[in-house]
Amino acid sequence: ILNVEQSPQSLHVQEGDSTNFTCSFPSSNFYALHWYRWETAKSPEALFVMTLNGDEKKKGRISATLNTKEGYSYLYIKGSQPEDSATYLCAFGDSGTYKYIFGTGTRLKVLA
Amino acid sequence: DVKVTQSSRYLVKRTGEKVFLECVQDMDHENMFWYRQDPGLGLRLIYFSYDVKMKEKGDIPEGYSVSREKKERFSLILESASTNQTSMYLCASSLAGRAEAFFGQGTRLTVV
Repeated sequence: ILNVEQSPQSLHVQEGDSTNFTCSFPSSNFYALHWYRWETAKSPEALFVMTLNGDEKKKGRISATLNTKEGYSYLYIKGSQPEDSATYLCAFGDSGTYKYIFGTGTRLKVLA
Repeated sequence: DVKVTQSSRYLVKRTGEKVFLECVQDMDHENMFWYRQDPGLGLRLIYFSYDVKMKEKGDIPEGYSVSREKKERFSLILESASTNQTSMYLCASSLAGRAEAFFGQGTRLTVV
């Protein structure tokens, strides 16, 4: 089973702080990398679909970068707000099987 | 908006019962997935389907089977429920290729 790791496991930040977390994945058989946000009592929702080495995506205060050669992606949140509190999941798409393997997530809590 | 609907939000079943979890999507997506989510383990793929009547095993298919008779519906079957199948089950669908997945609201299954 392929290993997709996310760090840190959990994070508490103050409102207004900027933060970032990491998704590490195999550097071979790359197909795509997805980022999802999962709020309590809701369904996971896609943030970004990243497909090319060097990709940078942005949605409001949230951005992500991708390095497929070394097998990592960073998610950045600028000026965190309480509504950013959620678990952030990454999913690695394997070109050999077309399966998506999820990391265990980073749980973010933004304190007002 | 894409809608993925799971038949039950909460379910309690007895050990040995045959359990059906139903999932319906309304956006004509080719791919459908069943995951289970357990604390500390992230989302683990049970089965997926990329077309009607087609199915592929995920990482943890033991004790489960699936059915996809129509494009919009993907059923997960627990042939003989056991207590170690107590979990949160999430259904998802996506277009073919690198597209992101859309998730249902989840079914929390307790086997007693």
